[in-house]
Amino acid sequence: QLQLQESGPGLVKPSETLSLSCTVSGGSISSSSYYWGWIRQPPGKGLEWIGSIYYSGSTYYNPSLKSRVTILVDTSKNQFSLKLSSVTAADTAVYYCARYDFWSDNWFDPWGQGTLVTVSS
Amino acid sequence: QTVVTQEPSFSVSPGGTVTLTCGLSSGSVSTSYYPSWYQQTPGQAPRTLIYSTNTRSSGVPDRFSGSILGNKAALTITGAQADDESDYYCVLYMGSGRVVFGGGTKLTVL
Repeated sequence: QLQLQESGPGLVKPSETLSLSCTVSGGSISSSSYYWGWIRQPPGKGLEWIGSIYYSGSTYYNPSLKSRVTILVDTSKNQFSLKLSSVTAADTAVYYCARYDFWSDNWFDPWGQGTLVTVSS
Repeated sequence: QTVVTQEPSFSVSPGGTVTLTCGLSSGSVSTSYYPSWYQQTPGQAPRTLIYSTNTRSSGVPDRFSGSILGNKAALTITGAQADDESDYYCVLYMGSGRVVFGGGTKLTVL
């Protein structure tokens, strides 16, 4: 059964770079059938797509975040990562990773459990 | 910029039927947007209910169904139960690798 697990610092200072990893277990991130995505949810608010990556490194980003976002993949570790630069309090959120069925039906499943990142000095 | 619209809140009586919708600020939703639906309870990750308009994810009971109603995607819950009280999000594929989440609907069962 495929599982995803987010990891990274829970506290980041304003203006610094938020860095998270998502480890995939029970399957290969190099599957040709899927992209891998990051989604976030500020406290008490809705879900927002951040971006998606293919095992080859091909990426798609949310235009509203594109200037600050980098998503990378490490197939040797079966992981993909998120970097969000110049963070502010508005970037405080639970960050989820998920498998994204881009080539077929465009849906996210399964999801990681999420990790809360707080931006504060 | 296109916004995906959902009812902010909805209520349904136990055993009743409710239809939540997912629209566009400009234009109509069709199957080409591959609408998907996710259920989220407080403190939990989203759970996939429906993808590609009307395909139920594995393990999802058949009282959850998806469709296109008029110019919107729709999620219908038939025979609502207390544990259906959750937030529901739709997602639309906008092309060029971009997806957009709706703002979510908070469903109350009372």
